[in-house]
Amino acid sequence: QVQLVQSGSELRKPGASVKVSCKASGYTFTAHSMNWVRQAPGQGLEWMGWINMHTGNPTYAQGFTGRFVFSLDTSVTTAYLQINSLKAEDSAVYYCARDDQVVRFNYWGQGTLVTVSS
Amino acid sequence: QSVLTQPPSVSAAPGQKVTISCSGSSSNIGNNEICWYQQLPGTAPKLLIYENNKRPSGIPDRFSGSKSGTSATLGITGLQTGDEADYYCGTWDSSLSAGVFGTGTKVTVL
Repeated sequence: QVQLVQSGSELRKPGASVKVSCKASGYTFTAHSMNWVRQAPGQGLEWMGWINMHTGNPTYAQGFTGRFVFSLDTSVTTAYLQINSLKAEDSAVYYCARDDQVVRFNYWGQGTLVTVSS
Repeated sequence: QSVLTQPPSVSAAPGQKVTISCSGSSSNIGNNEICWYQQLPGTAPKLLIYENNKRPSGIPDRFSGSKSGTSATLGITGLQTGDEADYYCGTWDSSLSAGVFGTGTKVTVL
């Protein structure tokens, strides 16, 4: 069965970096784009962008350029989200989501809570 | 600020029906297919409806979707306590070249 398993919660200080992983199994990893979605505490869902599984080319939504980096390691069927120069407002749950068609996410990771606090 | 607007909350008694609206524009709902997601407290979102009105396998027919022009609607009939959750619409915005989600609606079963 299809599974997306994300890495555990992270606590970082402002200015640090964090890398969240999303391990995929149960399907051909390169057959579906991987998207990332942010949910700040008590807030709604925010689409961050997606990564092309064949080229590794990422596409970032407005507001997620510069400090956010999507990457892949196809040898271990894992997608990554790295956030650099962390700010308090980056504190949120980050989800990976497999794309069946554009913005049609039938499979989600369980979410990774990133807390940025001094 | 989302480009898709939903009511913050809706409520009804068990067994009743609720509808949730999602209002957008020609660059998103008007020209792209819409999905609906259910997010139970503390869990990841779950796909309820795709391509405006189709249900993935395992989703009961109590959940239905429709679209007209630049608006979409999610209907839930036979409301159950287990339906208490946040619901989000989602689609592609061709002007932004980005995925967009609605503002979210909390469903409360009275």
